[in-house]
Amino acid sequence: GAVVSQHPSWVICKSGTSVKIECRSLDFQATTMFWYRQFPKQSLMLMATSNEGSKATYEQGVEKDKFLINHASLTLSTLTVTSAHPEDSSFYICSAARPPGQRSSMNTEAFFGQGTRLTVV
Amino acid sequence: GENVEQHPSTLSVQEGDSAVIKCTYSDSASNYFPWYKQELGKGPQLIIDIRSNVGEKKDQRIAVTLNKTAKHFSLHITETQPEDSAVYFCAASYNQGGKLIFGQGTELSVKP
Repeated sequence: GAVVSQHPSWVICKSGTSVKIECRSLDFQATTMFWYRQFPKQSLMLMATSNEGSKATYEQGVEKDKFLINHASLTLSTLTVTSAHPEDSSFYICSAARPPGQRSSMNTEAFFGQGTRLTVV
Repeated sequence: GENVEQHPSTLSVQEGDSAVIKCTYSDSASNYFPWYKQELGKGPQLIIDIRSNVGEKKDQRIAVTLNKTAKHFSLHITETQPEDSAVYFCAASYNQGGKLIFGQGTELSVKP
């Protein structure tokens, strides 16, 4: 499968500070990346869709000014949690969509990063 | 929008037995159904997927079946091993650039 690298794998920050998480597709170009949030023992909840060269599309209930997404290149999307608070502590996971045609696939496939465990103290 | 329901939430089997996890989806336009395995503290890993033009797909001990009429699909794991223990998620997509709607997850425990 394709490789998607997410960094850092874990981070602890003080309340009120900002944290940036990077998501890179290492062996394919991803015009679209997705950011998910996962609480313990729960499913992945889509936060936003990140499109290269344009503004991200946020899901209902997700504050776009708090979760800043930048997709400046075909291989990199970043999620910045601004003014983090303890309730933002969670597991954040990105996925990158590999378009049809790459690696002989007829459909778009999503590959996930390793996830980032954010703890706000 | 799409809604995916997954059952059971927990499943415990003896090593060597089979495990079956079932999902239903609501949007008949969905045409791509992947299954992911997630180990503690890690991101989901794609283990098998199926397209709507196929009824069944098998990869060694793992198989997935799809019933488009009933809008449900299932994951079958045969000859389970302790290393199969993890949380499994089903998902559905209408090929929206990889946008996936996930089921609630099934925590599978394989006892030696």
